[in-house]
Parts: sequence; structure tokens; C-alpha cells
Amino acid sequence: DAGVTQSPTHLIKTRGQQVTLRCSPISGHKSVSWYQQVLGQGPQFIFQYYEKEERGRGNFPDRFSARQFPNYSSELNVNALLLGDSALYLCASSLEHTGTAAYGYTFGSGTRLTVV
Amino acid sequence: AQKITQTQPGMFVQEKEAVTLDCTYDTSDPSYGLFWYKQPSSGEMIFLIYQGSYDQQNATEGRYSLNFQKARKSANLVISASQLGDSAMYFCAMGSLSGGGADGLTFGKGTHLIIQP
Repeated sequence: DAGVTQSPTHLIKTRGQQVTLRCSPISGHKSVSWYQQVLGQGPQFIFQYYEKEERGRGNFPDRFSARQFPNYSSELNVNALLLGDSALYLCASSLEHTGTAAYGYTFGSGTRLTVV
Repeated sequence: AQKITQTQPGMFVQEKEAVTLDCTYDTSDPSYGLFWYKQPSSGEMIFLIYQGSYDQQNATEGRYSLNFQKARKSANLVISASQLGDSAMYFCAMGSLSGGGADGLTFGKGTHLIIQP
């Protein structure tokens, strides 16, 4: 079975531009979460979507938005890019919206975004 | 609010030795889960082990075990018989089990583990 798939793997954007990152969860998983990991830090929670609805949001500005599609894939959009948005963006999928040992969170390999 | 503290930025360990990675946490949630992830240089977060706050026994998964001390709010990862392939960043994380995942997982800053031959 395919794991969590993220695209693109690498991306370079200019300040002020907009970017869309994509995530396909494991087949059968209904929940997708997004995390931002800047260099040298642990991942920070951005959004969680379950059954196409936003279930949680971290402390990120409104420039960050996301959505989940009927097939449970998800997109993360970031507008008006800043240099500080340069990071590894990780997507995680789980069966339900609460990760437990039975379900767990499975992460993709991430999209490395560089803003210049 | 939840907080994870990992006090070891880096560790060097000889191959085949056991290693303990420290993790302390803070939360007001009565029901929570604790996770350890491994992140190699490729970037993917690999799930290692999970401990629920109400689990009576410490979790074990192969060479990984979690030393859970609830009163001390610690959840240390123990890797037995370390291997060269264990070299990576290790992150401790926690999530609420009572809030429906609305706050996602909270991660520590990680420990960079290097296994030496």
C-alpha cells in the first residue's frame, strides 16, 4: 500500500508569491494534518481536517489555509510568502481525528519550501 | 497548553550500546498520548512507539521501549543494542485524546543521535 504522498518534494518561491502543497493520505484514512518544520526545530501544527471539515488550527496567520477533498486528499495554501515561511511542510494522515496507538499518525516525506 | 521538553540536543553513542533519550512533558489534559518519531535526513517522520496516559504498562516495540513515569511527567525512549542505522533526529510528541485532535501533536525540539562504529 502506498504511504502518505506529498507533492512537490521541493519548491522555490519568491517573496509575496502564493504556493499550494498537496497531500494524499493512506487509503482509508479520513484525517489529514499539516505541520511546519523550520530548520533545527520540531514540527508545528498548522491544521487538521477530518471528513472534509477543519477540526483544528494551530497558531498560524490567515495567510495559511487548507482544504480537504471528497477523496480525503488535501491542499495547503500559503499566500503572500515571507522568507520565514521557508520550511519543511509535513502532512500526516490517520484513520480518525484522534491519533492513538490503534490509528497513529503516518507522516509523508514532506515538501521543502524555500522562499527567496 | 501542552509542552514537550527534550534537553539533549545531541548524543554520541557507541554501536551496540543502549541509549536513553529524555523527554518531559506538561499538560493539563487528563487523557493524552505520547509518541516518539525518528526523522532521518530524508525528512520523513517515522513512528516508533506510543504510550497512552492510562496505559498501565510501559510500551515496547522491538528494540524500542518507552519508560513512562506519569508522576514525573517523563516519557524517555530507550533503544537497546543501537545500530548505525539508528543515527537520526528523534522527536518526542504528545497529543490530547480528549479534544478530538483539535490541537494536533505538540513536538519537542528533538535530539540528534549519532551512533559511532
